[in-house]
Amino acid sequence: KAGVTQTPRYLIKTRGQQVTLSCSPISGHRSVSWYQQTPGQGLQFLFEYFSETQRNKGNFPGRFSGRQFSNSRSEMNVSTLELGDSALYLCASSLGTAQLNEQFFGPGTRLTVL
Amino acid sequence: DQQVKQNSPSLSVQEGRISILNCDYTNSMFDYFLWYKKYPAEGPTFLISISSIKDKNEDGRFTVFLNKSAKHLSLHIVPSQPGDSAVYFCAARGNYGGSQGNLIFGKGTKLSVKP
Repeated sequence: KAGVTQTPRYLIKTRGQQVTLSCSPISGHRSVSWYQQTPGQGLQFLFEYFSETQRNKGNFPGRFSGRQFSNSRSEMNVSTLELGDSALYLCASSLGTAQLNEQFFGPGTRLTVL
Repeated sequence: DQQVKQNSPSLSVQEGRISILNCDYTNSMFDYFLWYKKYPAEGPTFLISISSIKDKNEDGRFTVFLNKSAKHLSLHIVPSQPGDSAVYFCAARGNYGGSQGNLIFGKGTKLSVKP
């Protein structure tokens, strides 16, 4: 069974631009959660989508948004990029809701904002 | 305010010896704790977990101990192997009136096991 895949793996953008990251969950998994990993803050929860609906949201500004498609694939969008948005963005999928099921992480997208 | 704290950013251990990774938490609503291991260029992978109704859970070389009164948990790896070199994340989840919260992660501890 294929694991969680994320595209692209690396991305370089400049301040003010916007970016879209993609996550394909494990086949059959209906929940996708997004996390931001930075050296200073560790892994921080962004949001979770389950059956195309956002179930939970972390403490991030509205510039961070996401969506989930009917095939459970998810995209995350960051608008008006800031230098501090440079981070590793991880997505994790689970069979059911993230709170009650084991999460499987993808390799991440490394975003650098210049 | 960090609800899950891993105060040691790094730890170096000799192969064959015990590795002890520590984690402290502040939220008394946390009732489930997990450890994840992360290699460079890969996502975190689940290692072991423990429910608050237990004080110990063992899986092969890995044992997690939970001290609820001290709000402290630790991961013991015995014996340590060079392949265990990775970043280890402690995570916790709370129960809020029957509703489960999201995972809260610590900042991670980088373990280096020297041959």
